Amino acid sequence: AQSVTQPDIHITVSEGASLELRCNYSYGATPYLFWYVQSPGQGLQLLLKYFSGDTLVQGIKGFEAEFKRSQSSFNLRKPSVHWSDAAEYFCAVAANNAGNMLTFGGGTRLMVKP
Amino acid sequence: DTAVSQTPKYLVTQMGNDKSIKCEQNLGHDTMYWYKQDSKKFLKIMFSYNNKELIINETVPNRFSPKSPDKAHLNLHINSLELGDSAVYFCASSQGSSYGYTFGSGTRLTVV
Repeated sequence: AQSVTQPDIHITVSEGASLELRCNYSYGATPYLFWYVQSPGQGLQLLLKYFSGDTLVQGIKGFEAEFKRSQSSFNLRKPSVHWSDAAEYFCAVAANNAGNMLTFGGGTRLMVKP
Repeated sequence: DTAVSQTPKYLVTQMGNDKSIKCEQNLGHDTMYWYKQDSKKFLKIMFSYNNKELIINETVPNRFSPKSPDKAHLNLHINSLELGDSAVYFCASSQGSSYGYTFGSGTRLTVV
């Protein structure tokens, strides 16, 4: 079965600083990988996804993520964080034969200092 | 036009009651899901339906019963509510693994 680990529960960065959120997955084959963002009291919004091809994927809101098979990682990055990026971020993995089930990591809460 | 809509958004009820949460999607997706998010923000799948048929039923108490009258609707009925059922319940839909999910805005259930 697939699993996802997000090692950082909380991260605080200053506005304008760069950001990297870590995600490690466990899955036997090439997974489908996703990053979602959840603002307080809201549902989850898809930031970006990877399922094949170029290992560097671009998403919405200026985010990007890089798939590294050798490290089983799919880290999320943003070059310059805005105060509105403060939210909970979830990495997720899906197998391609598991009834389309997404398995989520525990989330990373991002706080942005002015 | 809300893609995945859930009602109600908030639900406060007493232990032992029976309640339902409704979900509708207008995206034409074939698969719908219920996820539970606990107080520590952990998201766990409960059920998945594909074209009105149950395809995933994780280990949840049988007090929880999903019902899908058509592929655009997936409702969740909960009998004999317990304190531990307090959580945020999310409905989602998808058109395949590679597309990700579209989530509703959640239903915050509080059992008192």
